[in-house]
Amino acid sequence: EPEVTQTPSHQVTQMGQEVILRCVPISNHLYFYWYRQILGQKVEFLVSFYNNEISEKSEIFDDQFSVERPDGSNFTLKIRSTKLEDSAMYFCASRAGGGLPGGYEQYFGPGTRLTVT
Amino acid sequence: AQSVTQPDIHITVSEGASLELRCNYSYGATPYLFWYVQSPGQGLQLLLKYFSGDTLVQGIKGFEAEFKRSQSSFNLRKPSVHWSDAAEYFCVLYNFNKFYFGSGTKLNVKP
Repeated sequence: EPEVTQTPSHQVTQMGQEVILRCVPISNHLYFYWYRQILGQKVEFLVSFYNNEISEKSEIFDDQFSVERPDGSNFTLKIRSTKLEDSAMYFCASRAGGGLPGGYEQYFGPGTRLTVT
Repeated sequence: AQSVTQPDIHITVSEGASLELRCNYSYGATPYLFWYVQSPGQGLQLLLKYFSGDTLVQGIKGFEAEFKRSQSSFNLRKPSVHWSDAAEYFCVLYNFNKFYFGSGTKLNVKP
């Protein structure tokens, strides 16, 4: 069964450093998402991406964040200058789209745990 | 504005007992609703979804959910809980390419 993959599973970085979190969505999916989950808190929407551009973003997704689909398979989240409060689990998700009921089902990756020290 | 509320943060049930997890939503039109499960250290897995039609939807692992428009609810149920059901459960609403998560309900299962 196709699945969303994410690398690395755990990333430790120092405050102020740039990090890139990588995701490989399911191959025929058209919509891509990033979420974060701070330990003990709810899953929060960060950004959605469609047709090579951001379609929606939350208030959390400020200028420190960017997303890219550099090669048609990977989907990346970059944090330019990490802060302590960026420590969280980051989930990538994708869905097929197409206006059919099955097209709204999101498939999630296993997550990347980001620790900022 | 749309939102999802899961009023129960933690629930403990005995193995074999029935389960109901509550979800209330706020949305003006007919919502697209989902339940996801997150096992410890794992990603999120879709249990079931509701878009329209039959208000009782069946999902994987023996779960079902009932959409009640009059109560703005989409409660998740299982008639007999197994120890492997211990996890966190999220109710999710879709609107205009954004997915809104409830705060989650952690389910503990007693032997």
